[in-house]
Amino acid sequence: EDKVVQSPLSLVVHEGDTVTLNCSYEVTNFRSLLWYKQEKKAPTFLFMLTSSGIEKKSGRLSSILDKKELFSILNITATQTGDSAVYLCAVEAGPLGGGADGLTFGKGTHLIIQP
Amino acid sequence: KAGVTQTPRYLIKTRGQQVTLSCSPISGHRSVSWYQQTPGQGLQFLFEYFSETQRNKGNFPGRFSGRQFSNSRSEMNVSTLELGDSALYLCASSAAGGNSPLHFGNGTRLTVT
Repeated sequence: EDKVVQSPLSLVVHEGDTVTLNCSYEVTNFRSLLWYKQEKKAPTFLFMLTSSGIEKKSGRLSSILDKKELFSILNITATQTGDSAVYLCAVEAGPLGGGADGLTFGKGTHLIIQP
Repeated sequence: KAGVTQTPRYLIKTRGQQVTLSCSPISGHRSVSWYQQTPGQGLQFLFEYFSETQRNKGNFPGRFSGRQFSNSRSEMNVSTLELGDSALYLCASSAAGGNSPLHFGNGTRLTVT
């Protein structure tokens, strides 16, 4: 059974700090790893990673994938109160040439940024 | 471009009843997926539709079903509701082809009493 584990489950830091969120996975026929941010309702897409070692960056957020160690991290630098949210990691799997399976999500990291 | 639209936003039903939830994908997106989110289990995959065909299904009982129309809009139906079906039901759409991320709607909050 596919598994995605995120750590820590919750994190409280002060504004301006840098945080690193972790995601490890065990899936058959890995295709991609995705990060989402969920504040109130809809998870909003942050990054999709398919290749090892290539950092994806968007403003203060960045993410990298290690397909050998089955691991990804999401970094947020100079955190702001607006970064407070649940950050979800998900993995897409599926056989070559076939349709993708549904995303398998981790339980999320609840990040709280204190002013 | 409008995002994924789900209706209704909130729904209260009684055990044993059935419910239908609706989803309009982002314009041009042909794949629609449904997920259930609960505090205990997190986000779990229900099913995915592409070109009116169910392409994949998660590990949920047959009481959960769905369909997709020719305009890519999708509906999800839950029959014989149980208390444990109370959850946020999220619909997501993606463009056809590989390496296309899912974009989620705001969800329908279903409460079963």
